[in-house]
Amino acid sequence: EAGVVQSPRYKIIEKKQPVAFWCNPISGHNTLYWYRQNLGQGPELLIRYENEEAVDDSQLPKDRFSAERLKGVDSTLKIQPAELGDSAVYLCASSSGRRDTQYFGPGTRLTVL
Amino acid sequence: GQQLNQSPQSMFIQEGEDVSMNCTSSSIFNTWLWYKQDPGEGPVLLIALYKAGELTSNGRLTAQFGITRKDSFLNISASIPSDVGIYFCAGARTGNQFYFGTGTSLTVIP
Repeated sequence: EAGVVQSPRYKIIEKKQPVAFWCNPISGHNTLYWYRQNLGQGPELLIRYENEEAVDDSQLPKDRFSAERLKGVDSTLKIQPAELGDSAVYLCASSSGRRDTQYFGPGTRLTVL
Repeated sequence: GQQLNQSPQSMFIQEGEDVSMNCTSSSIFNTWLWYKQDPGEGPVLLIALYKAGELTSNGRLTAQFGITRKDSFLNISASIPSDVGIYFCAGARTGNQFYFGTGTSLTVIP
């Protein structure tokens, strides 16, 4: 069974540029999460989807961040415009919902210059 | 968002030694998960716990769901160099909303 797939793995951009991250969850997993992980810290939730519905986006900075999961499968997280403080690892995770467990992708390391 | 308290923050041990770390919360959780994260990779699930007092093993790793439901413990026996990494706990109250710990960095000296 394939794991959670994320791309790109690394992205370097200049501030004020837009950037997008893509995630394909484990097949059959209805719940999808986007996390941000700053250096030396644990992951912090940005948004959680149940199928195509965003059920928890309270930590998503909505002035510059947006996300979509149109068909309830893969998802895209966008930042526009990026700021220096957005440099972090962006992790995607998915869960089947049958038990409280989630599996992570390898992450996208974003560097904003 | 809420972050759980993990201790110790870092550990330096000799190969072959046993390791203990814990995670505490001010809130009651119904699920505890333990992950290991290698540099440049996403967290990998090690052990999942679903009931207070539950003790679960995965090879040399053993984790326990605290009786108070506000803490969890992870033990690694007979450490080896590949155990090096950052260990995170995660807790959930209901549904699929998880909160993560601050991490314990483990270094194993051969």
